[in-house]
Amino acid sequence: NAGVTQTPKFRVLKTGQSMTLLCAQDMNHEYMYWYRQDPGMGLRLIHYSVGEGTTAKGEVPDGYNVSRLKKQNFLLGLESAAPSQTSVYFCASSYSGRRGWTQYFGPGTRLTVL
Amino acid sequence: AQTVTQSQPEMSVQEAETVTLSCTYDTSESDYYLFWYKQPPSRQMILVIRQEAYKQQNATENRFSVNFQKAAKSFSLKISDSQLGDAAMYFCAYRSAAEVGGATNKLIFGTGTLLAVQP
Repeated sequence: NAGVTQTPKFRVLKTGQSMTLLCAQDMNHEYMYWYRQDPGMGLRLIHYSVGEGTTAKGEVPDGYNVSRLKKQNFLLGLESAAPSQTSVYFCASSYSGRRGWTQYFGPGTRLTVL
Repeated sequence: AQTVTQSQPEMSVQEAETVTLSCTYDTSESDYYLFWYKQPPSRQMILVIRQEAYKQQNATENRFSVNFQKAAKSFSLKISDSQLGDAAMYFCAYRSAAEVGGATNKLIFGTGTLLAVQP
């Protein structure tokens, strides 16, 4: 039982390049989330998904796209990376409803955009 | 909208001593959950303790306990017998208990308190 895993752990991009972050969970959770963490700002929600094939915008969605083609995977894409997207990205998952009051986090991905 | 405020950017405690981290929040809801997460240098977000708002009893987990004051919208974390391994960034977080889709499951985080433990 690996919990929540993220790939890659580190990445450096040049401005304008694209990339996809992969999140996988093996707990059969319905809900999945992408957060970004910036110094002095805590974690902020980018996008989330309440089930396979569904996604929705969070607090800071601009510049990102997501997809959830399989229940266990949640992908975060940057089509044209900008320096402002330099951050640490966390994926999390949870059950739905009251059973999902605890979110389980992945180890994070440190992304640097030059 | 709900907000979470941690007014102490940094704290320091001597090993074996007790320290209290502060957290206040703002919400118009009556049913919600509160959490303290620990983030060591490894970056992993680790759940330390959680509290359901409808429970009056303060949650405890070994050396960690909370002082939940619902009327004051305060949720402080007390760490007893501090250990070197407790050194980390600590985040307070809020989650609505409303059962309307995944958006209400999102966590709202404070800005964190960096705790140093002195030997």
